[in-house]
Amino acid sequence: QVQLQESGPGLVKPSETLSLICTISGGSISTYWWTWIRQVPGKGLEWIGYNYNSGTTKYNPSLQSRVTISVDNSKNQFSLSLSSVTAADTAVYYCARPVAGTNDAFDIWGQGTMVTVSS
Amino acid sequence: DIQMTQSPSSLSASIGDRVTITCRASQNIITYLNWYQQKPGKAPRLLIYTTSRLASDVPSRVSGTRSGTEFTLTITNLQPEDFATYYCQQSYNSPFTFGPGTQVDIK
Repeated sequence: QVQLQESGPGLVKPSETLSLICTISGGSISTYWWTWIRQVPGKGLEWIGYNYNSGTTKYNPSLQSRVTISVDNSKNQFSLSLSSVTAADTAVYYCARPVAGTNDAFDIWGQGTMVTVSS
Repeated sequence: DIQMTQSPSSLSASIGDRVTITCRASQNIITYLNWYQQKPGKAPRLLIYTTSRLASDVPSRVSGTRSGTEFTLTITNLQPEDFATYYCQQSYNSPFTFGPGTQVDIK
């Protein structure tokens, strides 16, 4: 059974870069649209973007200039990098995998990791 | 971006009740609508995708339908594990966007 696990710093200073890793266990990283989604505590969900097959990427235009999602096939991991963070980026960050054959309905999620942006 | 709205924002129900939650998109999304359940401190769980397809391990008392531009999540015979927040999500166009959520709590 495929499982996802996020890891990374829980505290990031304003203007710095938020970096998270999602480790995939129980399955291969190949041919899926590996996705990051975030949720401000007590608020709704925001799709950040995806990386497909270590090549095609698509990002939320609201974050496009600051975000990079990369895939490391050798480590069965994918990552999120979000630069120039502000307090508005404080959220729970989830990595997710969509239903096989789709890129847009997410049936496998990590447990989420809380990232706080504060000096 | 496609804006999603949900109604009601919250509801109270009893065990055994039938609950319906409605979701609307700001433009035509055909059938590209998914539903999630989220409990406090947990990741969302996919319930329904492409309007009416049941995700794995989701009981058959959960269903999704569409009437025009209105989408409905129905849960019959409400069980204790169903008390949670429910989100719709459009997958017609990126950025994929979510509704604001409907909280279902115990009456």
